[in-house]
Amino acid sequence: KQEVTQIPAALSVPEGENLVLNCSFTDSAIYNLQWFRQDPGKGLTSLLLIQSSQREQTSGRLNASLDKSSGRSTLYIAASQPGDSATYLCAVSGGSARQLTFGSGTQLTVLP
Amino acid sequence: EAQVTQNPRYLITVTGKKLTVTCSQNMNHEYMSWYRQDPGLGLRQIYYSMNVEVTDKGDVPEGYKVSRKEKRNFPLILESPSPNQTSLYFCASSLSLVNEQFFGPGTRLTVL
Repeated sequence: KQEVTQIPAALSVPEGENLVLNCSFTDSAIYNLQWFRQDPGKGLTSLLLIQSSQREQTSGRLNASLDKSSGRSTLYIAASQPGDSATYLCAVSGGSARQLTFGSGTQLTVLP
Repeated sequence: EAQVTQNPRYLITVTGKKLTVTCSQNMNHEYMSWYRQDPGLGLRQIYYSMNVEVTDKGDVPEGYKVSRKEKRNFPLILESPSPNQTSLYFCASSLSLVNEQFFGPGTRLTVL
């Protein structure tokens, strides 16, 4: 069964810092990996989608990489801002089941 | 506007009173799914549907039913809700599992 782990569970940084969030998964037979942002009590906003054949995707200050063979992905946030404070979730689709499997998330706080 | 809608957004009910949470998407997506999110347990898939009249169990299907009679709608049915079904529920859709997943705003359910 696919398992997705996110480290760290929580992270607090001062404004302006560059930071990296980590995601690992156990079954490398995935279709894609998706990073989401969730604000408290709110829905999920899709940030980046990386197909299994791709190595990275970029959107503005965000860059996500994927190493399928080692079962790892990173989300790089450049020049962090207080508005980036949220929980970041990674999810993989495929593997042995036809579903999206989520990690438990990294709660990010960017201090002014 | 392309979106996934859920109704109701908030619901407080009592044990055993049947309820339905509706989910609708306007993007002609084939794949739809339901998740519940609980503190410490993250997002877990309840049911998913690959297309009309095709549904399958996710990781936590007990106590739930779904139907997919039309492509745009995927209601979640709780025939006899219990307090352990108190949770935040999300509906999601995508063209297929290899495409980006779009999430609804969530339904916060409390079963007394």
